[in-house]
Amino acid sequence: GIQVEQSPPDLILQEGANSTLRCNFSDSVNNLQWFHQNPWGQLINLFYIPSGTKQNGRLSATTVATERYSLLYISSSQTTDSGVYFCAVEEDNYGQNFVFGPGTRLSVLP
Amino acid sequence: NAGVTQTPKFRVLKTGQSMTLLCAQDMNHEYMYWYRQDPGMGLRLIHYSVGEGTTAKGEVPDGYNVSRLKKQNFLLGLESAAPSQTSVYFCASSSPASGGTYEQYFGPGTRLTVT
Repeated sequence: GIQVEQSPPDLILQEGANSTLRCNFSDSVNNLQWFHQNPWGQLINLFYIPSGTKQNGRLSATTVATERYSLLYISSSQTTDSGVYFCAVEEDNYGQNFVFGPGTRLSVLP
Repeated sequence: NAGVTQTPKFRVLKTGQSMTLLCAQDMNHEYMYWYRQDPGMGLRLIHYSVGEGTTAKGEVPDGYNVSRLKKQNFLLGLESAAPSQTSVYFCASSSPASGGTYEQYFGPGTRLTVT
């Protein structure tokens, strides 16, 4: 099955800094989502982005499907950005078999 | 809309006991999923359902059963709990939007401890 890697595994930033999180996958995908798991455990949708670029406020994401990676950019980080960021992929697009990466744990210090 | 809700939020079981976790969604989604999350790891798919009355196995189905008798509910059962099933369980739902996307929306999770 498809393998998903995320880097870095841990990241510590000062408030106001920018960061880039990476998701690599071993095969072509038709479905890719980024999630933020906050310190209380809630999983929040950030982006659905199987290809191309999207932006939402201070966050943006880019997926280069042909090279099998996706990037999540966080600009002007805030303490509320702390938590774990996951990417989840699906090889086909039937909404049936999502594979999650191990996550990147982000800590933003005041 | 409440979105996706899960009951209970916390539970402690003894080895060999049984229990059922309930997931409910009010978004009229066709698809529903159960995942488990172990410390320091991503989520792993246990079972999923693509519609009322249907279920299918995911990556880690052993030791669990599911039922989808109503479109809005998806139940996860543990017939004989084992310590290896200590985990946080998440339910999610999705439905194909225009363009064929399947964005998943998650419940708050159930923390289960088996002693």
